[in-house]
Amino acid sequence: SQQGEEDPQALSIQEGENATMNCSYKTSINNLQWYRQNSGRGLVHLILIRSNEREKHSGRLRVTLDTSKKSSSLLITASRAADTASYFCAPYNQGGKLIFGQGTELSVKP
Amino acid sequence: EAGVAQSPRYKIIEKRQSVAFWCNPISGHATLYWYQQILGQGPKLLIQFQNNGVVDDSQLPKDRFSAERLKGVDSTLKIQPAKLEDSAVYLCASSLLGTGNTEAFFGQGTRLTVV
Repeated sequence: SQQGEEDPQALSIQEGENATMNCSYKTSINNLQWYRQNSGRGLVHLILIRSNEREKHSGRLRVTLDTSKKSSSLLITASRAADTASYFCAPYNQGGKLIFGQGTELSVKP
Repeated sequence: EAGVAQSPRYKIIEKRQSVAFWCNPISGHATLYWYQQILGQGPKLLIQFQNNGVVDDSQLPKDRFSAERLKGVDSTLKIQPAKLEDSAVYLCASSLLGTGNTEAFFGQGTRLTVV
Protein backbone atom coordinates (compact mmCIF):
# COMPACT_ATOMS: atom_id res chain seq x y z
CA SER A 1 0.00 0.00 0.00
CA GLN A 2 1.19 3.51 -0.79
CA GLN A 3 -0.52 4.91 2.28
CA GLY A 4 1.58 6.44 5.02
CA GLU A 5 0.95 5.68 8.65
CA GLU A 6 1.34 8.50 11.14
CA ASP A 7 2.44 8.02 14.70
CA PRO A 8 1.38 8.89 17.34
CA GLN A 9 -2.36 9.07 16.70
CA ALA A 10 -2.66 11.91 19.19
CA LEU A 11 -0.18 14.26 20.81
CA SER A 12 -0.78 16.88 23.50
CA ILE A 13 1.89 19.42 24.43
CA GLN A 14 2.25 22.83 26.04
CA GLU A 15 2.78 25.98 24.03
CA GLY A 16 6.49 26.55 23.41
CA GLU A 17 7.36 22.86 23.38
CA ASN A 18 8.44 20.97 20.29
CA ALA A 19 6.17 18.45 18.58
CA THR A 20 7.43 15.46 16.63
CA MET A 21 5.27 13.31 14.39
CA ASN A 22 6.40 10.27 12.46
CA CYS A 23 5.34 8.68 9.21
CA SER A 24 6.12 5.18 7.97
CA TYR A 25 5.43 3.81 4.52
CA LYS A 26 5.99 0.59 2.59
CA THR A 27 6.73 1.38 -1.05
CA SER A 28 9.61 3.22 -2.70
CA ILE A 29 8.83 6.88 -3.17
CA ASN A 30 9.63 9.86 -5.36
CA ASN A 31 8.71 12.30 -2.63
CA LEU A 32 6.73 12.61 0.58
CA GLN A 33 4.38 15.44 1.48
CA TRP A 34 3.06 16.69 4.81
CA TYR A 35 -0.31 18.40 5.18
CA ARG A 36 -2.15 20.09 8.03
CA GLN A 37 -5.90 20.13 8.60
CA ASN A 38 -7.56 22.49 11.01
CA SER A 39 -10.90 21.37 12.37
CA GLY A 40 -13.63 21.59 9.79
CA ARG A 41 -11.33 22.85 7.05
CA GLY A 42 -9.56 21.48 3.99
CA LEU A 43 -6.00 20.25 4.06
CA VAL A 44 -3.12 22.67 3.63
CA HIS A 45 0.20 21.63 2.13
CA LEU A 46 3.12 22.17 4.49
CA ILE A 47 6.22 20.75 2.87
CA LEU A 48 7.40 18.33 0.18
CA ILE A 49 10.65 16.40 0.55
CA ARG A 50 12.10 14.51 -2.39
CA SER A 51 13.58 11.04 -2.13
CA ASN A 52 17.12 12.34 -2.64
CA GLU A 53 16.76 14.84 0.22
CA ARG A 54 17.39 13.97 3.85
CA GLU A 55 16.19 17.11 5.57
CA LYS A 56 14.16 20.17 4.73
CA HIS A 57 13.18 23.28 6.67
CA SER A 58 10.33 25.71 6.35
CA GLY A 59 10.00 28.28 9.11
CA ARG A 60 9.39 26.37 12.35
CA LEU A 61 8.98 23.10 10.47
CA ARG A 62 11.71 20.55 9.98
CA VAL A 63 11.13 17.40 7.97
CA THR A 64 13.53 14.47 7.74
CA LEU A 65 13.38 11.52 5.40
CA ASP A 66 15.12 8.16 5.78
CA THR A 67 14.40 6.11 2.67
CA SER A 68 16.36 3.12 4.02
CA LYS A 69 13.92 2.92 6.95
CA LYS A 70 10.98 4.11 4.87
CA SER A 71 10.17 6.77 7.43
CA SER A 72 9.82 10.50 7.78
CA SER A 73 9.37 12.84 10.69
CA LEU A 74 7.86 16.28 11.06
CA LEU A 75 9.18 18.51 13.83
CA ILE A 76 7.36 21.68 14.83
CA THR A 77 9.55 23.85 17.05
CA ALA A 78 8.28 26.35 19.60
CA SER A 79 4.70 25.25 19.11
CA ARG A 80 1.78 27.67 19.32
CA ALA A 81 -1.89 27.15 20.07
CA ALA A 82 -2.55 27.85 16.39
CA ASP A 83 -0.59 24.70 15.51
CA THR A 84 -3.44 22.64 16.94
CA ALA A 85 -4.58 20.54 13.99
CA SER A 86 -4.36 17.12 12.41
CA TYR A 87 -1.20 16.35 10.45
CA PHE A 88 -1.04 13.92 7.54
CA CYS A 89 1.80 12.49 5.50
CA ALA A 90 1.37 11.39 1.88
CA PRO A 91 4.11 9.26 0.32
CA TYR A 92 4.17 9.48 -3.47
CA ASN A 93 5.66 7.11 -6.02
CA GLN A 94 5.68 7.46 -9.79
CA GLY A 95 2.23 6.79 -11.13
CA GLY A 96 0.82 6.70 -7.63
CA LYS A 97 -1.97 8.54 -5.97
CA LEU A 98 -2.11 11.12 -3.19
CA ILE A 99 -3.24 8.88 -0.33
CA PHE A 100 -3.45 9.91 3.31
CA GLY A 101 -3.28 7.92 6.53
CA GLN A 102 -5.28 8.51 9.70
CA GLY A 103 -3.11 11.42 10.76
CA THR A 104 -1.70 12.70 14.02
CA GLU A 105 -4.00 14.91 16.05
CA LEU A 106 -1.88 17.59 17.72
CA SER A 107 -3.21 19.64 20.60
CA VAL A 108 -1.14 22.59 21.81
CA LYS A 109 -2.33 23.96 25.14
CA PRO A 110 -1.77 27.62 25.96
CA GLU B 1 -4.86 33.37 -7.04
CA ALA B 2 -8.32 31.97 -6.40
CA GLY B 3 -8.43 28.71 -4.50
CA VAL B 4 -10.40 25.54 -5.08
CA ALA B 5 -14.09 26.34 -4.85
CA GLN B 6 -16.65 23.83 -3.63
CA SER B 7 -20.38 24.05 -3.20
CA PRO B 8 -22.52 23.65 -1.29
CA ARG B 9 -20.70 23.94 2.05
CA TYR B 10 -23.37 21.94 3.87
CA LYS B 11 -26.09 19.54 2.77
CA ILE B 12 -28.63 17.53 4.73
CA ILE B 13 -30.64 14.88 2.90
CA GLU B 14 -32.69 11.85 3.74
CA LYS B 15 -31.43 8.39 2.95
CA ARG B 16 -32.25 7.18 -0.56
CA GLN B 17 -32.25 10.75 -1.87
CA SER B 18 -29.74 12.03 -4.40
CA VAL B 19 -27.12 14.72 -3.94
CA ALA B 20 -24.50 16.42 -6.09
CA PHE B 21 -21.37 18.33 -5.18
CA TRP B 22 -19.54 20.77 -7.39
CA CYS B 23 -15.86 21.64 -7.56
CA ASN B 24 -14.03 24.33 -9.49
CA PRO B 25 -10.27 23.71 -9.35
CA ILE B 26 -7.54 26.29 -9.59
CA SER B 27 -7.19 27.52 -13.16
CA GLY B 28 -4.70 25.48 -15.15
CA HIS B 29 -4.56 22.56 -12.72
CA ALA B 30 -4.66 19.34 -14.68
CA THR B 31 -5.18 16.96 -11.77
CA LEU B 32 -8.37 16.91 -9.71
CA TYR B 33 -9.15 14.68 -6.73
CA TRP B 34 -12.27 13.87 -4.76
CA TYR B 35 -11.88 12.61 -1.20
CA GLN B 36 -14.35 11.37 1.39
CA GLN B 37 -13.47 12.11 5.00
CA ILE B 38 -15.51 10.47 7.72
CA LEU B 39 -15.30 12.10 11.14
CA GLY B 40 -12.12 11.09 12.95
CA GLN B 41 -10.52 9.49 9.91
CA GLY B 42 -8.10 10.56 7.21
CA PRO B 43 -9.30 11.56 3.72
CA LYS B 44 -10.07 8.59 1.49
CA LEU B 45 -9.36 9.05 -2.21
CA LEU B 46 -12.51 8.37 -4.24
CA ILE B 47 -11.46 9.40 -7.72
CA GLN B 48 -8.62 11.16 -9.48
CA PHE B 49 -8.82 12.93 -12.83
CA GLN B 50 -6.02 14.01 -15.14
CA ASN B 51 -7.62 16.67 -17.35
CA ASN B 52 -10.97 15.02 -18.20
CA GLY B 53 -9.76 11.43 -17.99
CA VAL B 54 -10.04 9.16 -14.95
CA VAL B 55 -6.67 8.09 -13.54
CA ASP B 56 -8.02 6.09 -10.62
CA ASP B 57 -11.47 5.34 -9.28
CA SER B 58 -10.74 2.08 -7.50
CA GLN B 59 -12.23 3.32 -4.20
CA LEU B 60 -15.36 4.85 -5.72
CA PRO B 61 -18.54 2.88 -4.86
CA LYS B 62 -19.72 2.83 -8.44
CA ASP B 63 -23.15 1.41 -7.65
CA ARG B 64 -24.11 4.72 -6.08
CA PHE B 65 -21.34 7.25 -6.70
CA SER B 66 -20.47 8.88 -10.00
CA ALA B 67 -18.17 11.70 -10.97
CA GLU B 68 -17.39 13.61 -14.09
CA ARG B 69 -15.06 16.38 -15.12
CA LEU B 70 -16.40 18.26 -18.07
CA LYS B 71 -13.88 19.81 -20.46
CA GLY B 72 -11.14 19.07 -17.96
CA VAL B 73 -12.16 21.89 -15.66
CA ASP B 74 -15.12 21.74 -13.23
CA SER B 75 -16.16 18.48 -11.67
CA THR B 76 -19.29 17.08 -10.06
CA LEU B 77 -19.61 14.18 -7.67
CA LYS B 78 -23.02 12.56 -7.32
CA ILE B 79 -24.46 10.09 -4.86
CA GLN B 80 -27.64 8.25 -5.80
CA PRO B 81 -29.17 6.90 -3.63
CA ALA B 82 -27.50 8.10 -0.44
CA LYS B 83 -27.01 5.87 2.59
CA LEU B 84 -26.50 6.84 6.22
CA GLU B 85 -22.83 5.82 6.01
CA ASP B 86 -22.24 8.41 3.29
CA SER B 87 -22.35 11.12 5.96
CA ALA B 88 -18.93 12.72 5.67
CA VAL B 89 -17.02 15.72 4.38
CA TYR B 90 -16.31 15.57 0.67
CA LEU B 91 -13.09 17.30 -0.26
CA CYS B 92 -11.99 18.40 -3.69
CA ALA B 93 -8.36 19.14 -4.47
CA SER B 94 -6.32 20.05 -7.52
CA SER B 95 -2.68 20.13 -8.50
CA LEU B 96 -0.73 21.60 -11.35
CA LEU B 97 1.09 18.57 -12.64
CA GLY B 98 0.82 14.84 -12.11
CA THR B 99 -0.03 13.44 -8.72
CA GLY B 100 2.50 14.12 -6.02
CA ASN B 101 4.92 16.08 -8.16
CA THR B 102 3.57 19.29 -6.78
CA GLU B 103 1.44 20.25 -3.86
CA ALA B 104 -2.29 19.70 -3.90
CA PHE B 105 -4.63 22.55 -3.03
CA PHE B 106 -7.83 21.68 -1.19
CA GLY B 107 -11.23 23.29 -1.07
CA GLN B 108 -13.14 23.81 2.17
CA GLY B 109 -15.21 20.73 1.57
CA THR B 110 -18.91 19.89 1.58
CA ARG B 111 -20.28 18.45 4.79
CA LEU B 112 -22.99 15.90 3.99
CA THR B 113 -25.38 14.62 6.60
CA VAL B 114 -27.68 11.76 5.63
CA VAL B 115 -30.60 11.26 8.00
